[in-house]
Amino acid sequence: RKEVEQDPGPFNVPEGATVAFNCTYSNSASQSFFWYRQDCRKEPKLLMSVYSSGNEDGRFTAQLNRASQYISLLIRDSKLSDSATYLCVVNERTGGFKTIFGAGTRLFVKA
Amino acid sequence: NAGVTQTPKFRVLKTGQSMTLLCAQDMNHEYMYWYRQDPGMGLRLIHYSVGEGTTAKGEVPDGYNVSRLKKQNFLLGLESAAPSQTSVYFCASSYSLALYEQYFGPGTRLTVT
Repeated sequence: RKEVEQDPGPFNVPEGATVAFNCTYSNSASQSFFWYRQDCRKEPKLLMSVYSSGNEDGRFTAQLNRASQYISLLIRDSKLSDSATYLCVVNERTGGFKTIFGAGTRLFVKA
Repeated sequence: NAGVTQTPKFRVLKTGQSMTLLCAQDMNHEYMYWYRQDPGMGLRLIHYSVGEGTTAKGEVPDGYNVSRLKKQNFLLGLESAAPSQTSVYFCASSYSLALYEQYFGPGTRLTVT
């Protein structure tokens, strides 16, 4: 099992749709969690941190489920500009530092 | 603020050649990282640094060396390039080792023929 696994994608959705991504992680001692966005041929940029209490920023909601070891990202009212690859990131600090990126989920939002 | 910058943006090497990638940040971050990104795979950590003069191995350190002589700079060296090192290399920096976001540079596209 991979340490961090994401929905394979790609997701093709119309504008205005709601889309959800999941990301599972294998180490129950993982410490921090993030969603990054990466546009084609660009660097990753932070979209949201993910907290146990959940985190909402406008149309984006991120949640963490420690019991089931997954994080999720919900995008409401999708825009064309949301088309990108979404990366989940899990950090561990047990016995050293480890930062693990998921392979990413590609989202295409169409008019 | 320029954030994180990387030099060069593109490079083509022949097998066996050496090169150094330079990363610079102006945010006074203690922590810096080098990643490689290959198609269909997540970013993989090569080496990282928790402060000036210190470096540590990441997930895929073989074939690479690093140095952090100044807080704002983190250098990645390839002593003898191999085709398997063809990749996009990203540098990043952060305020904290695990709790806060990482800021990424624009990347270096390296091709080894």
